[in-house]
Amino acid sequence: NAGVTQTPKFRVLKTGQSMTLLCAQDMNHEYMYWYRQDPGMGLRLIHYSVGEGTTAKGEVPDGYNVSRLKKQNFLLGLESAAPSQTSVYFCASNSRGVGQYEQYFGPGTRLTVT
Amino acid sequence: AQSVTQPDIHITVSEGASLELRCNYSYGATPYLFWYVQSPGQGLQLLLKYFSGDTLVQGIKGFEAEFKRSQSSFNLRKPSVHWSDAAEYFCAVGPFGNEKLTFGTGTRLTIIP
Repeated sequence: NAGVTQTPKFRVLKTGQSMTLLCAQDMNHEYMYWYRQDPGMGLRLIHYSVGEGTTAKGEVPDGYNVSRLKKQNFLLGLESAAPSQTSVYFCASNSRGVGQYEQYFGPGTRLTVT
Repeated sequence: AQSVTQPDIHITVSEGASLELRCNYSYGATPYLFWYVQSPGQGLQLLLKYFSGDTLVQGIKGFEAEFKRSQSSFNLRKPSVHWSDAAEYFCAVGPFGNEKLTFGTGTRLTIIP
């Protein structure tokens, strides 16, 4: 099992450019999440999904869009990147089973917007 | 709304010394509680979790944590730290039946020889 994988690992964008981050999991998990991690702020939830075809806003959704067309994939899009979106982005997933609420994390994507 | 406080931003401990990292949560009912560890440049790895039952839970790498409802705390402990324990540690809380977790801001652990 690869677990949770993220593509790409690093990316540099210019202000106004767009990009999509891909998260894939091979654990058949129902729930998937996108977080951003900034120094001194811990992890903040951007968007999440409780199943294929469904998405919901988290704590800091502005400037981001997501899609979950397949159960195993969760895409995070930046339509017009801003320097404030410079961050490390983590994807996570977990099962819907009772007592299965621990989340499994990918290795992260480091994004710099200049 | 649920919240998590990790009051120590940075802790320095000598190798072989004991460790305690503090975590306080705010939530009205019985929470799910987690400790994660993040090594530099890596994702988060689950150390241990508490759902119910015995309030002292054992995790990986020799870590343990104790849930104290009266103090709304879930402190992480290790009797003797190793240089490889240098990392950032995150406490997280999730309400029963809800998939979303709230993370603390993290405690960075430095180990000195």
